[in-house]
Amino acid sequence: AQSVTQLDSQVPVFEEAPVELRCNYSSSVSVYLFWYVQYPNQGLQLLLKYLSGSTLVKGINGFEAEFNKSQTSFHLRKPSVHISDTAEYFCAVSDLGSARQLTFGSGTQLTVLP
Amino acid sequence: DTAVSQTPKYLVTQMGNDKSIKCEQNLGHDTMYWYKQDSKKFLKIMFSYNNKELIINETVPNRFSPKSPDKAHLNLHINSLELGDSAVYFCASRDSGGRSINEQFFGPGTRLTVL
Repeated sequence: AQSVTQLDSQVPVFEEAPVELRCNYSSSVSVYLFWYVQYPNQGLQLLLKYLSGSTLVKGINGFEAEFNKSQTSFHLRKPSVHISDTAEYFCAVSDLGSARQLTFGSGTQLTVLP
Repeated sequence: DTAVSQTPKYLVTQMGNDKSIKCEQNLGHDTMYWYKQDSKKFLKIMFSYNNKELIINETVPNRFSPKSPDKAHLNLHINSLELGDSAVYFCASRDSGGRSINEQFFGPGTRLTVL
């Protein structure tokens, strides 16, 4: 079984400031790691994913995340945020089985202030 | 050209009623999922079908019954609705053998309110 912990439920940040959203996971087997974004009243959109290889992965909208196996973390970062980045961000893991079942964290509400 | 669509977008109903939510994907995917997002925005898997066969069935009340008439559709029927069923239900799909094997594509959600 896997579990995901997002340490911050809300992160307010001023426009053009950097931001880091933290994610830690627990699993007894190898997993794939994902960040999804949910804009108000919309579905989830994939920001980026780590499957293998380089531990630094780049996604859409200028976001990147770093996989740290020893710390079982997959923190999301952006060097300069925009008002339009205001949304709920979900970290998720999936096993490598045929179902690729996603287990989500509880979400982090990023609010970008002018 | 919507990839994953759900109907209806909003559903308001009384306790005890039976209702269905429909999901369709035009991506040619063979695996589909239902997730429930509660009022605290926590997302949890409910069901998954691969080629019309049930492959994931989490601990969900028997009142919830998924039905997959073909690979492109996965509907969710809910009997005897309860207040606690109020949530946003998301459908997702994935191509288990293609280039996006590890990515799930989500629909816009159906907000169910039980009064």
